[in-house]
Amino acid sequence: DIQMTQSPSSLSASVGDRVAITCQASQDITNDLNWYQQKPGKAPKLLIYDASNLDTGVPSRFSGSGSGTDFTFTISSLQPEDIATYYCQQYDNLPFTFGQGTRLDIK
Amino acid sequence: QVQLMQSGAEVKKPGASVKVSCKTSGYIFTAYAMYWVRQAPGQGLEWMGWINSGTGDTIYSEKFQGRVTITRDASATTSYMEVTSLKSEDTAVYYCGLASSPMRYWGQGTLVTVSS
Repeated sequence: DIQMTQSPSSLSASVGDRVAITCQASQDITNDLNWYQQKPGKAPKLLIYDASNLDTGVPSRFSGSGSGTDFTFTISSLQPEDIATYYCQQYDNLPFTFGQGTRLDIK
Repeated sequence: QVQLMQSGAEVKKPGASVKVSCKTSGYIFTAYAMYWVRQAPGQGLEWMGWINSGTGDTIYSEKFQGRVTITRDASATTSYMEVTSLKSEDTAVYYCGLASSPMRYWGQGTLVTVSS
């Protein structure tokens, strides 16, 4: 199975800050990577697919980059409604494994 | 519009089985695989397995192989996920998801509580 190593596991930042989360795959996954946002009691919501494509209706302050084994998810200006846990997921090979998650709080 | 509607919460005793359903609508059922993910309380997302909705072929994560069975009823446009020999560690929210491109469609989740 492909291992996805996500960091940091938690992050505290101020409103307006630029926030970055990284995800490293144990082998080359080209750009087959999703980023999800999950709020308590809710299903995950897709934000980014194919490593850098913004899903429909997702605010432009969210972005993704990378290919191969190293990926970055960025929020350009943190908003209060961005408080959530974020997950990366590879879909290059079954099983489609997830990173451990990053819990994001407001400082 | 695409919808995935899961069955309601369950409470089971250790050693029992549970079967969760995922009723779909808004697309051609056999065109996309369906996957299942679970999330234990306060924990991350675990990918369990998937089913080719056309052929019925399945692939499971090694952790769940042998104790989890995913099936589908194409005539009912519904996928099912059964866990046998339940343990307290199986207490979790179970989600179905559509393996579309991109993978944006998820069910609302089903809480399964295993308690004596």
